[in-house]
Amino acid sequence: DTGVSQNPRHKITKRGQNVTFRCDPISEHNRLYWYRQTLGQGPEFLTYFQNEAQLEKSRLLSDRFSAERPKGSFSTLEIQRTEQGDSAMYLCASSPPAGGFETQYFGPGTRLLVL
Amino acid sequence: GDSVTQMEGPVTLSEEAFLTINCTYTATGYPSLFWYVQYPGEGLQLLLKATKADDKGSNKGFEATYRKETTSFHLEKGSVQVSDSAVYFCALSTSGTYKYIFGTGTRLKVLA
Repeated sequence: DTGVSQNPRHKITKRGQNVTFRCDPISEHNRLYWYRQTLGQGPEFLTYFQNEAQLEKSRLLSDRFSAERPKGSFSTLEIQRTEQGDSAMYLCASSPPAGGFETQYFGPGTRLLVL
Repeated sequence: GDSVTQMEGPVTLSEEAFLTINCTYTATGYPSLFWYVQYPGEGLQLLLKATKADDKGSNKGFEATYRKETTSFHLEKGSVQVSDSAVYFCALSTSGTYKYIFGTGTRLKVLA
């Protein structure tokens, strides 16, 4: 069990560019979550996958954001036409299949800076 | 909607002092409650959790009791150490997607 991994760890981009982040959950975890954390705030929920199905999206996730989880394994989060307000830490978490409130295991995050 | 309110920080204590970080919540259902810790330069780690009323979560000397009557989940430790310096997040999770709703975090600084 190597934990949740995220790549890249840091990304600097210019406004208007597209960026893509990857999350590899703990193997056999069928639930995968994306959160966004800005400086001095707690993480905010963005979207949730159960296996390959995207079951919930926050209203924070504008049309410029898209997430996928093909084959129910790794996930990608893409931001198109980045804006300075997108600068934040993007966190991925996974949890095992269960009928209840299983602990979410967080990755180290991808820190995005939009210039 | 569901929400979590934490006491604002930073909290600065001397080593071996008693710690309380207040957390209250609003939820329409019956949430599970969590405390996560974020050490400098590291990711979020689960500290403890409680899944039903009157449950007490505990780990590494930290404790928190799920109080449904006061909708609270205050974090306590009897004697803090310098190594406890970190940001502490209270969170809730409700049935359905089980997504977390976090508080804003409380920074703790422990001085030797």
